[in-house]
Amino acid sequence: QKEVEQNSGPLSVPEGAIASLNCTYSDRVSQSFFWYRQYSGKSPELIMSIYSNGDKEDGRFTAQLNKASQYVSLLIRDSQPSDSATYLCAVNMKGGSQGNLIFGKGTKLSVKP
Amino acid sequence: DVKVTQSSRYLVKRTGEKVFLECVQDMDHENMFWYRQDPGLGLRLIYFSYDVKMKEKGDIPEGYSVSREKKERFSLILESASTNQTSMYLCASSFSDRGGYTFGSGTRLTVV
Repeated sequence: QKEVEQNSGPLSVPEGAIASLNCTYSDRVSQSFFWYRQYSGKSPELIMSIYSNGDKEDGRFTAQLNKASQYVSLLIRDSQPSDSATYLCAVNMKGGSQGNLIFGKGTKLSVKP
Repeated sequence: DVKVTQSSRYLVKRTGEKVFLECVQDMDHENMFWYRQDPGLGLRLIYFSYDVKMKEKGDIPEGYSVSREKKERFSLILESASTNQTSMYLCASSFSDRGGYTFGSGTRLTVV
């Protein structure tokens, strides 16, 4: 069974702190990794994609990928109350009955003013 | 920007009704997907399609069918709506099998 695991949270951080969200996946040959942000009652929005080992930065967001450890993370620097949302990790795993992109169940982040 | 449009934001239907949920994307994407999302259960794939007139079952196809007559349109059909199909339904599309998905705004369906 191809799986993507995330801590459901809630993860609570104070405003201005770094929020660290983690994700592990089961398929060693996965090639594409994504982070989605989902506000309550809204649909998921793609915020980061990463394809190779290392770090990828976009504004306050940094995605980190370690394929050997089958681990991908999202760091949010200078967290703002507007970052409060559920963050979904998604991993491209070919084959099976789940299409190609397997989603974790998400980590709920709460940023306290 | 890719746009994925779902025809209704909120929908209330009666038990036993046949329900059509429409999804249209405007960027010539090959791949389209239907998910439902329920609290604590995450996103669950119902059906997906990699080309016109083709469809593949996802994790929870029972009680649903789909239609893809044109590349840009992927319809989800609830043959006989039941209360356990009350959920948020999300359509998504992608350009390639390596790419991320773009989601529509979702349809919150209530079956009474």
